[in-house]
Amino acid sequence: AQSVTQLDSQVPVFEEAPVELRCNYSSSVSVYLFWYVQYPNQGLQLLLKYLSGSTLVKGINGFEAEFNKSQTSFHLRKPSVHISDTAEYFCAVTRTDSWGKLQFGAGTQVVVTP
Amino acid sequence: SQTIHQWPATLVQPVGSPLSLECTVEGTSNPNLYWYRQAAGRGLQLLFYSVGIGQISSEVPQNLSASRPQDRQFILSSKKLLLSDSGFYLCANQPGQTPNSPLHFGNGTRLTVT
Repeated sequence: AQSVTQLDSQVPVFEEAPVELRCNYSSSVSVYLFWYVQYPNQGLQLLLKYLSGSTLVKGINGFEAEFNKSQTSFHLRKPSVHISDTAEYFCAVTRTDSWGKLQFGAGTQVVVTP
Repeated sequence: SQTIHQWPATLVQPVGSPLSLECTVEGTSNPNLYWYRQAAGRGLQLLFYSVGIGQISSEVPQNLSASRPQDRQFILSSKKLLLSDSGFYLCANQPGQTPNSPLHFGNGTRLTVT
């Protein structure tokens, strides 16, 4: 079985500062990795995904993530955040041989203040 | 483009009452459909998934059931709600039907059991 650990439940950050959200996973098989964002009272939107190839993945809204197989990590970063980036962020993993059954982390709440 | 409709958006129900949450998908055929639950302060838990009409797989034993009476309709039900059924219920569709296809989420139903 796969599992996902998001190491920070809440990350406060000032506007225009960088932010990094940490995600570690465990799996005995190959996986695909995703980051989703959830704004208040809404569903989740895909930020980016890692399937294969380059370990640095760029997503929407200026976010990027780096896959590190040796450390089983998939940390999300943004060099300069905006107030509108205040949201909850979820890391998720799925086996490459089993569609759709995403395993989500507990989420990281990002609060951006002026 | 594909759209996922969920209703109602919010629901307050007493303990012991029945439940029916509906999800419909537009703009695709034969989708893989999922029900997730998000409890306060926790990540998303996969409840049910369906690969076709009448085909339901349950991920965790619980007080809930799911049905898929039509290709693009997915219903979550309960005969008698428990307090622990409170949460944010999200329906998702996997358009590509392959392991690397991201999920698309509806805007969710917030259920409060009193």
